[in-house]
Amino acid sequence: AQKVTQAQTEISVVEKEDVTLDCVYETRDTTYYLFWYKQPPSGELVFLIRRNSFDEQNEISGRYSWNFQKSTSSFNFTITASQVVDSAVYFCALKVGFTGANSKLTFGKGITLSVRP
Amino acid sequence: GAVVSQHPSWVICKSGTSVKIECRSLDFQATTMFWYRQFPKQSLMLMATSNEGSKATYEQGVEKDKFLINHASLTLSTLTVTSAHPEDSSFYICSARRDGGYEQYFGPGTRLTVT
Repeated sequence: AQKVTQAQTEISVVEKEDVTLDCVYETRDTTYYLFWYKQPPSGELVFLIRRNSFDEQNEISGRYSWNFQKSTSSFNFTITASQVVDSAVYFCALKVGFTGANSKLTFGKGITLSVRP
Repeated sequence: GAVVSQHPSWVICKSGTSVKIECRSLDFQATTMFWYRQFPKQSLMLMATSNEGSKATYEQGVEKDKFLINHASLTLSTLTVTSAHPEDSSFYICSARRDGGYEQYFGPGTRLTVT
């Protein structure tokens, strides 16, 4: 069975601080995808990134960066110089397999990030 | 591309009535659609997976007679909450997957309040 653990439930930072959101996953499969989604107060899920299990390169996109380490089964997300607009719930998710079959996404419980001005 | 819409975005209904939520893929054909439920401050829980033209596959613990899912076309799936009760109040989110793809594209969600 698959499992995604987001141990942090709520994080509060002051604007311009850096913040890292942790994600640890469990799966026996060697092929899988990892995702991060942002859910602002409006409720709509916003896709942030997808990583496949063979691609351990870190990724940077503007103020966002992701650190994927298979050795520790972690896929952490860092926001640099946080802004109030980053306030949202962030979900990490796992999908086993590289094909459409078994497309089920397993979500973590989410981390509520509050960025104070 | 890959836009998914949901209608209505919010609905209030009385206990005992039924309510239908639509999920549409606007610019692609979705062979598979997923229905999630999210309680306040909680994660998304998969309720069921529906494939066009066949019966939905429900997750353990989800009552199939209460949550009726119909995926009648490649662009439309509906979730009907029958005989709604206040405990059915939740945020319902659908997602859609193209034929041959693996990515799920999420709709904006429907907030259901049962009074």
